[in-house]
Parts: sequence; structure tokens; C-alpha cells
Amino acid sequence: GQQVMQIPQYQHVQEGEDFTTYCNSSTTLSNIQWYKQRPGGHPVFLIQLVKSGEVKKQKRLTFQFGEAKKNSSLHITATQTTDVGTYFCANSNSGYALNFGKGTSLLVTP
Amino acid sequence: NAGVTQTPKFRILKIGQSMTLQCAQDMNHNYMYWYRQDPGMGLKLIYYSVGAGITDKGEVPNGYNVSRSTTEDFPLRLELAAPSQTSVYFCASTHQETQYFGPGTRLLVL
Repeated sequence: GQQVMQIPQYQHVQEGEDFTTYCNSSTTLSNIQWYKQRPGGHPVFLIQLVKSGEVKKQKRLTFQFGEAKKNSSLHITATQTTDVGTYFCANSNSGYALNFGKGTSLLVTP
Repeated sequence: NAGVTQTPKFRILKIGQSMTLQCAQDMNHNYMYWYRQDPGMGLKLIYYSVGAGITDKGEVPNGYNVSRSTTEDFPLRLELAAPSQTSVYFCASTHQETQYFGPGTRLLVL
């Protein structure tokens, strides 16, 4: 499957600061999905991007798919303590099986 | 709908023991998956199924077996537990390329 690499591995921010995580691939991706996993919880679907250059927003979260469809980013504006967790990008191949990145763990301190 | 359910939530096994991790979904999804998640890592696909009676290997199938006799159930079998199988196991089902995860089973092999 197509490998996706995520950076950074960890990020510690003060509440109110912005946060960005990046997902990169050496090959063109058919789509990118983003998931959030709270500590001790299970991954929860956030969004899917399929079009080159696509940008989608969910309240304080902005998701972007690169023009070449080889990278994606998730940006959180003015983080809150409820944003704590690990954010994974993943891409699906035939059969809908997902290839996950290793995730970016976000810690937000008040 | 209960979504995707998994039992047990937590289990300790001795080396060489066997057990079955149960997974069920009530959303009538054809595609189901088993992942394992090791600390600080993303999810790795163990097995998946595209419908009742059809299963296929994922990235890390060794030491595991699955069956899919009904659309609802997708049990994962460990025949001879090894310490390397200590992990968190997630079952998931798919609808329109979005994966819905169960709460997970934490397995410790000693």
C-alpha cells in the first residue's frame, strides 16, 4: 500500500496557540482521510479529501490536500484542551482498507 | 444502532494460550477489518473481509485467523499467544469509504 508519513510526531502547545500536522507521500494519493483518537479511545473519522488542492473546514479545523495530491495538512486554530489526542492521516486503497500514518500526538496545556 | 462493538475490553493471556476477540456491527456493512495498534504507532491491518464468507490477509496476518460467517460478525482468533501480540486491537467496518471503529480490545500476553 501507499505509505504516508506524518510530522511532527509530537506537539505540545499552550491553549490558544495554533497547531498544524502534515501528511506526506512519495506517490500520488487517491484520497486522504483524517482521524482523531483521544487518549484511551478509538479513531474517529474527521474528514476525507479527494480533489487536488481541496480545502475543507470544520469550525477551528482546516484540512488541505496538496495540488499534486502527495501531501495534506490539518490546521487547528486557537487550540483548546478538548483538541488533545492523536491525529492520523490515512489513505484508502482497493477494498477500502486504510494505510495509516503513525500520527501526531497533540498535548494542549491550559 | 450500537455501531461496532467489541468484546472483551481487556484480557491477559499466558504465552501459548488461545482466544477469540469478538466484533459485531449492526449497520449492515459488507466491509470489516481488524487492526492492531502498538504504542506510538499507527494502525496496522491484520485481516479484512468484503462480505460474508470472504476474508483476506492484511499487512500483519501471522499468528491470527478470522472467519466471516455472517455480515454482522467478524471474530479474530489467536491460536498460540505470544508476547509480540500484546497490543490494542480495533475492529472496524466501512460505509462509503469511511471507517467506523469499535472501542478496542486491550490484550496483554505474559
